Order: sequence, then structure tokens, then C-alpha cells
Amino acid sequence: ETGVTQTPRHLVMGMTNKKSLKCEQHLGHNAMYWYKQSAKKPLELMFVYNFKEQTENNSVPSRFSPECPNSSHLFLHLHTLQPEDSALYLCASSPMLAGGPDTQYFGPGTRLTVL
Amino acid sequence: GQNIDQPTEMTATEGAIVQINCTYQTSGFNGLFWYQQHAGEAPTFLSYNVLDGLEEKGRFSSFLSRSKGYSYLLLKELQMKDSASYLCAVVDSNYQLIWGAGTKLIIKP
Repeated sequence: ETGVTQTPRHLVMGMTNKKSLKCEQHLGHNAMYWYKQSAKKPLELMFVYNFKEQTENNSVPSRFSPECPNSSHLFLHLHTLQPEDSALYLCASSPMLAGGPDTQYFGPGTRLTVL
Repeated sequence: GQNIDQPTEMTATEGAIVQINCTYQTSGFNGLFWYQQHAGEAPTFLSYNVLDGLEEKGRFSSFLSRSKGYSYLLLKELQMKDSASYLCAVVDSNYQLIWGAGTKLIIKP
């Protein structure tokens, strides 16, 4: 399944580093999402983009900065992270069409460890 | 507040049947999703229910009762590859997805 790809798959960074996560969807979808997944916790929605416009920012700290240059690509820029930010970061996309369920399709995630 | 409850972990035997429950309290309801997530992999879509009743798809079935705020995922003829986490998510009145913490299913030979 290569509908939604994410790179890198694993990332270890220090608290002073700057890094970026990349997501690309090949499904022709109009919406893209960033989620944080921590062990034994529900998925936490971080950001939503519809047609390249950010429509959701769930009180995410400014050390996480999203970028959506077009409807197929999504980035998450990371700066001055904390150890508690260590988690699996999932990207998803959905058609965002009128009528019917708006099923989200996920990438494999980036496993982030902050030292 | 909005809440989705699922058991944290379940164990079942290969070849058997298992039912994973999900109860929800949300501001409005516009459908319920089930996803499967193998360790280290992407969540993958299993089913969507918006009307009461049972939806069958091969070995997997999903049931919804909107009046009870309740759904279950039924897995038949369990295989070792069914070992995974199963995520329940409800679409609320704002069309936002509210996620449960997932149920880790362990299949034993």
C-alpha cells in the first residue's frame, strides 16, 4: 500500500535540533492531517488542511509548525522539542467530498524520539 | 466532554470468534469507523456504520446501536495475522473524528 507515504520512518533528535517530517499522498485527496499517537492513548489530531488551507490547529505548541505547499504534500517542521514529544506521528488524507463517509487513509508514521 | 471507551487488551484463540466493544458519548453522531493497526504500521480502514444494524464484510462484521451509543467489531475464524490493535472512532456533530485508545488483540495458537 503506497497511497500515503511518510519519511523518515524513524527519527532521533536532540532538543535543540531542527528537523522536518514529510508526507505525500497519491490518492488525489483534498484534505491532509497530522496526528500524534502515544502508547495507550487515543490518536491526537494536530493539524488539518483542506485544499491547502489550514482549518484546524488543536492547541498545538508552536514548536510544531505545519506546511502544506499543495494538496499532495504535507510537512511538519520540528524545533526545540521536548522528550514528551516522543511519539509516532501519523499523516492521513481523505477525499473531503460531499456525501458519504470521509474515510481517512494513513501513512505508516514517523517514530520520533527526542533525547 | 466527549469519550470513547474500548477494552485495552483482549486475548483470543486462533479459529475462534472475538467481539470488540466500543461505547461512546459524543456531541452528536455522524458515523462510526473501525480501523486495524498492526504494530509499527499505518491504521487501515475496516468499516463504517451510520445506521443501526450489522454490516458484514467477510470474516469481519461491525454492529451499531445509536440509541445505546454502542458498537462492536466481530472477528470470525481468527487468524494469527489478526493480532493487531483495533481503533474505534466516532464522527461528531462538527464532523470531527473522536478516537478511542484502541484495543490490542492477541491471538494465541
